[in-house]
Amino acid sequence: KQEVTQIPAALSVPEGENLVLNCSFTDSAIYNLQWFRQDPGKGLTSLLLIQSSQREQTSGRLNASLDKSSGRSTLYIAASQPGDSATYLCAVRRGYTGANSKLTFGKGITLSVRP
Amino acid sequence: DTEVTQTPKHLVMGMTNKKSLKCEQHMGHRAMYWYKQKAKKPPELMFVYSYEKLSINESVPSRFSPECPNSSLLNLHLHALQPEDSALYLCASSDDRNSYEQYFGPGTRLTVT
Repeated sequence: KQEVTQIPAALSVPEGENLVLNCSFTDSAIYNLQWFRQDPGKGLTSLLLIQSSQREQTSGRLNASLDKSSGRSTLYIAASQPGDSATYLCAVRRGYTGANSKLTFGKGITLSVRP
Repeated sequence: DTEVTQTPKHLVMGMTNKKSLKCEQHMGHRAMYWYKQKAKKPPELMFVYSYEKLSINESVPSRFSPECPNSSLLNLHLHALQPEDSALYLCASSDDRNSYEQYFGPGTRLTVT
């Protein structure tokens, strides 16, 4: 059974700092990995999707990497801003049909960026 | 346009009421999902529709009844809910012919009194 872990559960950093959020998963047989952002009481916003054949994806100040063999992904946020404060969740998808299409989520990292 | 819309934003209902949650997407996605999320927890999958057919039911109680009238719409019918069903209900869709990326709606905050 796939398990996704995100540690620490919460992180507080000063504005301007570059930071790395970690995600680990137990079963390397994944189809893709997705990073989401969630603001309190809101839906999930997809930040980056990495296919299993890819090593990284970039969008603006965000860069996500994937190492399937070690069961790890990182989300790098450059020059953090108070507006980046949110909960960041990673989720893995095992396959593309049926039960394999389900996402397994980590519990998320709540990030606070202090002005 | 990568938007999934949900209505209503907030819903308060008694345990004897019947209500429905609605979800809509116009991205041409053929997979649609209902999730339930409690405070400070990740979303929990409830149902998956693929090509308008129910493909996954995560052993959800029958007081929750999903419906997919067409490829753009997804409903969740609620009846005789319990206070512990109070949660944020999220709808999502994915393009299961290309990237398989999931897009979520803003959610409906449900309170059962």
